[in-house]
Formats: sequence, structure tokens, C-alpha cells
Amino acid sequence: QQKVQQSPESLIVPEGGMASLNCTSSDRNVDYFWWYRQHSGKSPKMLMSIFSNGEKEEGRFTVHLNKASLHTSLHIRDSQPSDSALYLCAASGAGNYKYVFGAGTRLKVIA
Amino acid sequence: GGIITQTPKFLIGQEGQKLTLKCQQNFNHDTMYWYRQDSGKGLRLIYYSITENDLQKGDLSEGYDASREKKSSFSLTVTSAQKNEMAVFLCASNHREQNTLYFGAGTRLSVL
Repeated sequence: QQKVQQSPESLIVPEGGMASLNCTSSDRNVDYFWWYRQHSGKSPKMLMSIFSNGEKEEGRFTVHLNKASLHTSLHIRDSQPSDSALYLCAASGAGNYKYVFGAGTRLKVIA
Repeated sequence: GGIITQTPKFLIGQEGQKLTLKCQQNFNHDTMYWYRQDSGKGLRLIYYSITENDLQKGDLSEGYDASREKKSSFSLTVTSAQKNEMAVFLCASNHREQNTLYFGAGTRLSVL
């Protein structure tokens, strides 16, 4: 059973719009979350990480983390067609070498 | 910078065949991983290795063996290929302080 749940499965947003992606872990031992982006035919690359409660912003990308509910979200403002990709959420616990990934959210940004 | 090299890029096998996938990294990372990705889906962990000669099972280890004889290399063996199986196998390594996985380009497996 998948311990990292992502929603929605797929998302279409207009160019310039806001995309919001969600991720929740059912494993209470999880402490850290990452967001990876995978363009079609390519390998995943780390986009952002978040380890503390609150918010972290890097350019057009913002991640939130609520450790009590083990929920993280990724928000992409001013979405561009080049943001179209599979977004994967990963989780791990402190001192744990095992990274568990969710099934991903496929984002399509249409011009 | 460094690189993770996976060989072969494409692998076509027959049902029941034993198939080996190889991964080399020059990051000097301690921990290495094998993930399976079915078309358009997420990543499922098959095996990981914390250091040379260490092996840890992931959630999808049944039907696979792994080997980590050197720090820089990690091999995965499909013990008996399943007919019509198609997936991409991704190797990754992790720098513990950076807490980031770096992935290879993948090996695409097709079984006839």
C-alpha cells in the first residue's frame, strides 16, 4: 500500500495560472519531504525540499509543510508550458535512508 | 559535479530469462538505490545499499537480486523476467548531507 499519497493525479492549468499539488504521508515516522520534477523521457530532478513546519519559497515555487498532519503542498505561480511534467513527492524519516515516493501528479500547462 | 551511468539504456529479454542492469556513480556517494517506474507512474523502491557490501530490501524486492561490491557500483538482477513486462529502472545515489537523490538516465526493459 502506497504510504505517500499525492493529489490530484493530473492537473491542467492555463499559462500564467497557479498550480497546487498535494502530498500526504501515512507513516508517522516521516520527518522530511522533497518534491522532484520529471519531464517526459527524462529522469527525476529535485525541485525543492522542506524539513520544518511552515513555508519555503524559491522563485515561482512555494512549498508548505504541516508536520502534525504530515501534509506538504507545492504551489507554482505564473505557470509556464515548460512546467508541464510529472511531479513526484518523496518522504523519509530522520536517520532513515529509505526514500518513499508517491505516484505523482501530472501537470499540463496550456498556452 | 558527477554523473550516474546506467547500462544498458535498453534491454530486451525473453520470458524466464535472468537479466542484469548496472549502475556506476562518480559522486563518491555512500548510498545507492534502485527504483522501478511503470509508464507514467511513480517510483517504487526495489533495493538500496547504505555502503559497500550492504543490501537493504525495498517494498518491491521480490523477483530481484542486487549486488554492491564497490562503493561506485550497484547492480540489479531480474531473476526471472515476466512476459510483457515493461518498465524503466532508475538508479540513484544520495549525498547524505545534501539530502538529495541524483538519478541516472534509466534502463528501459521490455520482455517478449
